[in-house]
Amino acid sequence: AQTVTQSQPEMSVQEAETVTLSCTYDTSESDYYLFWYKQPPSRQMILVIRQEAYKQQNATENRFSVNFQKAAKSFSLKISDSQLGDAAMYFCAYAGGAQKLVFGQGTRLTINP
Amino acid sequence: DTAVSQTPKYLVTQMGNDKSIKCEQNLGHDTMYWYKQDSKKFLKIMFSYNNKELIINETVPNRFSPKSPDKAHLNLHINSLELGDSAVYFCASSQMTSGRGDTQYFGPGTRLTVL
Repeated sequence: AQTVTQSQPEMSVQEAETVTLSCTYDTSESDYYLFWYKQPPSRQMILVIRQEAYKQQNATENRFSVNFQKAAKSFSLKISDSQLGDAAMYFCAYAGGAQKLVFGQGTRLTINP
Repeated sequence: DTAVSQTPKYLVTQMGNDKSIKCEQNLGHDTMYWYKQDSKKFLKIMFSYNNKELIINETVPNRFSPKSPDKAHLNLHINSLELGDSAVYFCASSQMTSGRGDTQYFGPGTRLTVL
């Protein structure tokens, strides 16, 4: 069974600085998707970024980018120019042939003004 | 326009009662899901339906019964509610791509509190 691990329960960063959230996963599949979701206090789950495993190029969405290392099974999220609105729980998630999302434990990100 | 909607957003009820949560998506997706988020924020799949057919049924007590009347709707009925059922329940939808689950879009969640 696939597992996703986020080893940082909490992170904090100064506004306008850069922060990286870590995620590792375990799978024997070769074809899968990886995601980062953001959950602000409103509790809505918001898609931040998506990566297809067969694509070597790292996904980027504005200030959000990933470092996808397939061999190492690592999928970290980098947030540049952090803003107060980035404060939230961030979840790493895996989707493969089982047709379900497997989530990590989450990282609570605090932005210090 | 809300892509994935759930009703109600909050549900407070007594132990032993039966309650339902409704979910609707207007994204034209063929697959819908129920997830449970516990008090430690951990999210876990409960069920999924593809074209109204149940495809995932994780180890969930049979007091929980999902129903999908059509591709756009997925409801969750819970019998004999217990204290441990208190959680946030999320509905999500996606479009299957080559038999694999792609990006899932989530509803706003239903916070269920059992007293």
